[in-house]
Amino acid sequence: DAGVIQSPRHEVTEMGQEVTLRCKPISGHDYLFWYRQTMMRGLELLIYFNNNVPIDDSGMPEDRFSAKMPNASFSTLKIQPSEPRDSAVYFCASSGDIRWTFFGQGTRLTVV
Amino acid sequence: GEDVEQSLFLSVREGDSSVINCTYTDSSSTYLYWYKQEPGAGLQLLTYIFSNMDMKQDQRLTVLLNKKDKHLSLRIADTQTGDSAIYFCAESSSGGYNKLIFGAGTRLAVHP
Repeated sequence: DAGVIQSPRHEVTEMGQEVTLRCKPISGHDYLFWYRQTMMRGLELLIYFNNNVPIDDSGMPEDRFSAKMPNASFSTLKIQPSEPRDSAVYFCASSGDIRWTFFGQGTRLTVV
Repeated sequence: GEDVEQSLFLSVREGDSSVINCTYTDSSSTYLYWYKQEPGAGLQLLTYIFSNMDMKQDQRLTVLLNKKDKHLSLRIADTQTGDSAIYFCAESSSGGYNKLIFGAGTRLAVHP
C-alpha cells in the first residue's frame, strides 16, 4: 500500500479564498483523522470519522471549517473563507487497529 | 482533562544514548505511542506500548512505562545523526477509540 496520500503537498492562497485539502486513507482502514500542526498549538485533532461517519468534530475551530468523507477511500477538509491564521500543516491519518495510526505527508497551507 | 507533556529539546553526542521523557494524564489510556517527525515529513510511528506492560524493546529503541507515575520514556541506544528529528509522545484517549492526544514534541539534536 502507498500509505495515506494527501494532496496538494503545498497550497498558497489568498485570504478569503476557499481551500480544499484531500486525503486517501490506507485501504481497509475504518478510521480517518484530520490533524493540524502549528508551532504555537502543536498537533491538534480537528475531526475524525469511523466508517465514513463523523464521530467527533469538537476540534474544528470554526464554522469556516468542514470535512466530509463520501466513501471509504476519500475525505476532504474545506476552509471557506480562509484566513491567515489558518496557515499550518494539515495532516490526514488513518487507522484500522488501535495499535497504529498512519499519517500522510501533510499539506502545508499558507494563507496570505 | 487529557494532557501530554514533554521537554522541548535534547542534545546528545553521536554514539551516546538519548532518553526522551513524557508524562500523561489519562490513566485509562490503553496504548501509548512514540512518533518521529523529520523535517517536512509526516509522523512516523516508531513504537507503541500496551498500558499493562512496563517495558518494550525494539532494536535500538527501549520504551519504559511507569503507570503509577504516568511517565513514559523512549531510549535510543547508539544515537546517530539520522535520529535527529522531533519525537512525539501520544496517548490513546479514553474519549474515543484510536483518538490520539499528542505532546508538543521533543526536538532531538545529535552532534558529532
